[in-house]
Amino acid sequence: TQLLEQSPQFLSIQEGENLTVYCNSSSVFSSLQWYRQEPGEGPVLLVTVVTGGEVKKLKRLTFQFGDARKDSSLHITAAQPGDTGLYLCASPSGTYKYIFGTGTRLKVLA
Amino acid sequence: NAGVTQTPKFQVLKTGQSMTLQCAQDMNHEYMSWYRQDPGMGLRLIHYSVGAGITDQGEVPNGYNVSRSTTEDFPLRLLSAAPSQTSVYFCASTKQGASTDTQYFGPGTRLTVL
Repeated sequence: TQLLEQSPQFLSIQEGENLTVYCNSSSVFSSLQWYRQEPGEGPVLLVTVVTGGEVKKLKRLTFQFGDARKDSSLHITAAQPGDTGLYLCASPSGTYKYIFGTGTRLKVLA
Repeated sequence: NAGVTQTPKFQVLKTGQSMTLQCAQDMNHEYMSWYRQDPGMGLRLIHYSVGAGITDQGEVPNGYNVSRSTTEDFPLRLLSAAPSQTSVYFCASTKQGASTDTQYFGPGTRLTVL
């Protein structure tokens, strides 16, 4: 059974700092998704990476897929309070099934 | 489009009571799913459906039933609530793409079982 491990579990930083969160697996990902979840709401898809080594940018967020497709990272440049939330990675685990990581809870202080 | 809607937003039950969590989507997606979210455990798949009349079990199906009579609706039933079912429940609807899918989540139902 594929497991997704995310690190760190919690992160509290000051506005303007940079940060990186990680998603790792013992198995190869067919693809990997990153979500952000704000308090009291459901997760919202940020990006999907498919190809090993792929890099995608979404404003100040940079997503990277490892060459071997067993790890991924999310880097935020100049974090803002609006980036506060729970960041989840997810990967298909069969037809129509997804498994989710345990998440990184980020708090950006003004 | 309203997207994915869930009701109720909050619910408190006593052990042994039954209830139905409602989920509806107006995007005409065939695939829908139910997850539960517990602290430190991410989201875990309970049941899913690939179309009207077709459902299947996910990772943690025990204690839950589902049905899919229409494309729009996918209710989740708790037959006899237990404290272990205290959680936040999310319904999701999936848009299938050429190479990847996009899941749209509802706002969740926070359930407490006493």
